[in-house]
Amino acid sequence: AQKVTQAQTEISVVEKEDVTLDCVYETRDTTYYLFWYKQPPSGELVFLIRRNSFDEQNEISGRYSWNFQKSTSSFNFTITASQVVDSAVYFCALSGGNNDMRFGAGTRLTVKP
Amino acid sequence: EPEVTQTPSHQVTQMGQEVILRCVPISNHLYFYWYRQILGQKVEFLVSFYNNEISEKSEIFDDQFSVERPDGSNFTLKIRSTKLEDSAMYFCASSEEIKIYNEQFFGPGTRLTVL
Repeated sequence: AQKVTQAQTEISVVEKEDVTLDCVYETRDTTYYLFWYKQPPSGELVFLIRRNSFDEQNEISGRYSWNFQKSTSSFNFTITASQVVDSAVYFCALSGGNNDMRFGAGTRLTVKP
Repeated sequence: EPEVTQTPSHQVTQMGQEVILRCVPISNHLYFYWYRQILGQKVEFLVSFYNNEISEKSEIFDDQFSVERPDGSNFTLKIRSTKLEDSAMYFCASSEEIKIYNEQFFGPGTRLTVL
C-alpha cells in the first residue's frame, strides 16, 4: 500500500523567512517517483518537481530546494526567503507500480507581508 | 506551451442528474487520468485510461462513473446520477507514457457543485 503523510496542516510565516514542508511516504515498490505540486488560491495544480527513488541527490531551483532521504522515507521541501506569492497549498505525491498518483493531504502555507 | 484544458470551469447540477465533464489532453499524450479533490481535502486518483480502455481505477470509481474518449481529442468523465458528495473539483491529467516517471500534466479543473 502506498501512503503519503504531510503532518503539517497549516504553516504561517512572515515574508523572507525560510520554511520547510515535510513529506513522509510509505511504499513497497523499489522503483517509485515523488512529486511536489503547488495549488494556489486559483485552484490549479502546478508541478514543482519530480524525483525518482534511485536519485537521492538534493536539488535546488532558485528559492526552492528539496531534500530526499530514502533512509527516513522523507522528501522535504524548503522555500528560502519566502514571499507572499508562495502562499498556497502544497501537495506531496507518490507514484509507484500501479501508476496511480497518491497525494498527501497538503500543507497550507500562508506568507504574511 | 501545450496544456490540458477542461470545460466547464464550474458546473452546477441537481442531485440525481447526469453530468459530463470534458477534458482535452495534450495532443501527443496517450494516457489520461481523472482525479477528484473534495473541498479542502487531498487530491484523489479516480481512473487512468489508455488505448480506449481503463488501465487502473480506485475504489471511488464505482458504477456511477464512466470515462470515454469519444473522438481524437476529448476525454470525458460521466457521473450518471450525481449525489451531494460528488461535489468536488475534478482534475484531468495526461502523460506521454504510463511509466511512473512520466509527469502527468494537470488541467485547471472543473468545480462540480451538486445541489
